[in-house]
Amino acid sequence: VQLVETGGGLVQPGGSLRLSCAASDLTVNNNFMAWVRQAPGRGLDWVSLIYTGGTTYYADSVKGRFTITRDDSKNVLHLQMHDLRVDDTAVYYCASFITNSPDGLDYWGQGTLVTVST
Amino acid sequence: SNVLTQPPSMSVAPGKTASITCGGDKIEFNPVHWYQQKSGQAPVMVMYYNNDRPRGIPERFSGSKSGTTATLTISRVEGGDEADYYCQIWDEDTAHVLFGGGTKLTVL
Repeated sequence: VQLVETGGGLVQPGGSLRLSCAASDLTVNNNFMAWVRQAPGRGLDWVSLIYTGGTTYYADSVKGRFTITRDDSKNVLHLQMHDLRVDDTAVYYCASFITNSPDGLDYWGQGTLVTVST
Repeated sequence: SNVLTQPPSMSVAPGKTASITCGGDKIEFNPVHWYQQKSGQAPVMVMYYNNDRPRGIPERFSGSKSGTTATLTISRVEGGDEADYYCQIWDEDTAHVLFGGGTKLTVL
């Protein structure tokens, strides 16, 4: 299984960015999937998850600003981020849950860095 | 505030045993999962459902849970075990994934 995140970069406060996570040997719509971020020098911070059935959940800090979606035809997971803030600066990882329940995360990508700065 | 509490750091000599704890009320009713993150790398799951070891994780790694505390134990510690370790649960009440603050394990 391979998860490859793309789409990170430098963006100004208030800006938008869309992250993508391309999956190999794993079908995104057959797995519960998540985005987890890690600010520089800090711990892991869950961002969002999506069930196989399409139900989504968000951390309080991003609710209303971020949206998790899937492109089943391309087997890709997305994270659309709006109204970005300086404290959204982090490496963003996509990951898959070990079973079809939001428990442990068994596969992780290498992450993509999002920097929000003027 | 973090509802899963881990010691920020611990040190252990090679060949000894490291026990990393994770405490919180929600642990009592939810399975705990553990991750190892080496410097500059993505996290790797080292324990799931309290005490199940993923394929490829050495038997030196074990997990347990009692009441509101979960423990990741690393026996016969090696230099390659030096990393940050995180515990994690799914909180059904809030529909949130929760991570502990992480423990930096230093091998002396």
